[in-house]
Amino acid sequence: AQRVTQPEKLLSVFKGAPVELKCNYSYSGSPELFWYVQYSRQRLQLLLRHISRESIKGFTADLNKGETSFHLKKPFAQEEDSAMYYCALRRPNFNKFYFGSGTKLNVKP
Amino acid sequence: SAVISQKPSRDICQRGTSLTIQCQVDSQVTMMFWYRQQPGQSLTLIATANQGSEATYESGFVIDKFPISRPNLTFSTLTVSNMSPEDSSIYLCSATDRGDSYEQYFGPGTRLTVT
Repeated sequence: AQRVTQPEKLLSVFKGAPVELKCNYSYSGSPELFWYVQYSRQRLQLLLRHISRESIKGFTADLNKGETSFHLKKPFAQEEDSAMYYCALRRPNFNKFYFGSGTKLNVKP
Repeated sequence: SAVISQKPSRDICQRGTSLTIQCQVDSQVTMMFWYRQQPGQSLTLIATANQGSEATYESGFVIDKFPISRPNLTFSTLTVSNMSPEDSSIYLCSATDRGDSYEQYFGPGTRLTVT
C-alpha cells in the first residue's frame, strides 16, 4: 500500500530564512510525487511535481528514491509563502492521488 | 485548466439525515474524485466518479453510505447518507482534464457539520 508522511504539522520560520518541508513516502513501484499548496481562503492547487524538475515561486523538490523522500525547499522564505502544504503521491496509470497530512508553514516578518 | 464549483459551500445537518453535494466543472474532464478532509487530518480519497458507470470506492468507503453519481463529463454528486457526527468534515471534489492528467483541480469544498 502507498503512504505519504509529513512529520511536521507546523513549521515556523522568519522571513529570509531557508525552509524545508519534509515528505516521505512508501510505495513499492515508481511513484509520481507532487506538492500542493493551499493559501488562506483559497482552494488547493498544484505547486510542483517531481517529473518537471522545475522551480516554482522559488521552491524546489528533489525525489530521493533511496531515502523515499520528496522534501520541499526554498532558500529564502517570504511572508506570502505562509500556507498549508501537502505532499501527494500518484500511482502511475491509476490517476489516484494520496495525500500527506499537510504542513502549515508560517513565515514570520 | 478546469474551474470547479461546489454546492452547498457549507451545511449543518441533523443526525440520520442525508445531504447531497454537487460538483460542477466548467469544462469536460476525464476523471472526477471525492475526498474527505477531517479537521487536522489529510485529504482521504473516498471514490473516483466514473462517467457512465459506478464509482470506484476506496477501502473503508461504501456505496450505501456515499452514493455517487456522474451523469456527464462535467458534473458529479456525492451523497452522505444517514449522517452521524463522525461525518462532520470538509468534502472536496476534484478533477483531472484530458490534457494534464497529472494535475488535479480542486473545488472550494463543502463544510459539513452533523449535530
